[in-house]
Amino acid sequence: GQNIDQPTEMTATEGAIVQINCTYQTSGFNGLFWYQQHAGEAPTFLSYNVLDGLEEKGRFSSFLSRSKGYSYLLLKELQMKDSASYLCAVRDKNYKLSFGAGTTVTVRA
Amino acid sequence: GAVVSQHPSRVICKSGTSVKIECRSLDFQATTMFWYRQFPKQSLMLMATSNEGSKATYEQGVEKDKFLINHASLTLSTLTVTSAHPEDSSFYICSSSSGTGFNEQYFGPGTRLTVT
Repeated sequence: GQNIDQPTEMTATEGAIVQINCTYQTSGFNGLFWYQQHAGEAPTFLSYNVLDGLEEKGRFSSFLSRSKGYSYLLLKELQMKDSASYLCAVRDKNYKLSFGAGTTVTVRA
Repeated sequence: GAVVSQHPSRVICKSGTSVKIECRSLDFQATTMFWYRQFPKQSLMLMATSNEGSKATYEQGVEKDKFLINHASLTLSTLTVTSAHPEDSSFYICSSSSGTGFNEQYFGPGTRLTVT
């Protein structure tokens, strides 16, 4: 199975940068996903990493180190609408996702 | 991204009754669908994996006789919560796997079930 840890909450100012860390222990790693979830809504796909390194996608970037069991999601130029829960999810060889508990990011003006 | 719908979005039922939730993959054929449950302020927990035309695979601790899953076509999977109890009140979310590219999962909008 997978043990996935991420911080519970983070607060940042509009226009700033926030980095959400995720560590995992897994049997059979087959990719790491980041999802954004607003309260009462389903998660939406943000990024995918399967090889080591940084994947950049506009204001959002995600990094993976498989040897360290570590990933981070970097949110740049924060906007109020970025206030949400961010979920780190690890996929196994059977294509099943295991989710972390989520990090609630609050963006303040 | 792909579109997945769920119906109903909210349902309130009495204890002891059964509730059916539909999950539809609207713009691609989904050989595999997943059912998750999310309690307040907790993350998504996988309940079962549903494969078209075969029996669902349930995660440990999930009662297959209580949570009936049917995946009769490539675009529709249903979850029936039988003899619901207040502790079954939760947010139920389905997802479809595209089977191409990253093979990422696309999530439906979720169904809020409240059992009184």
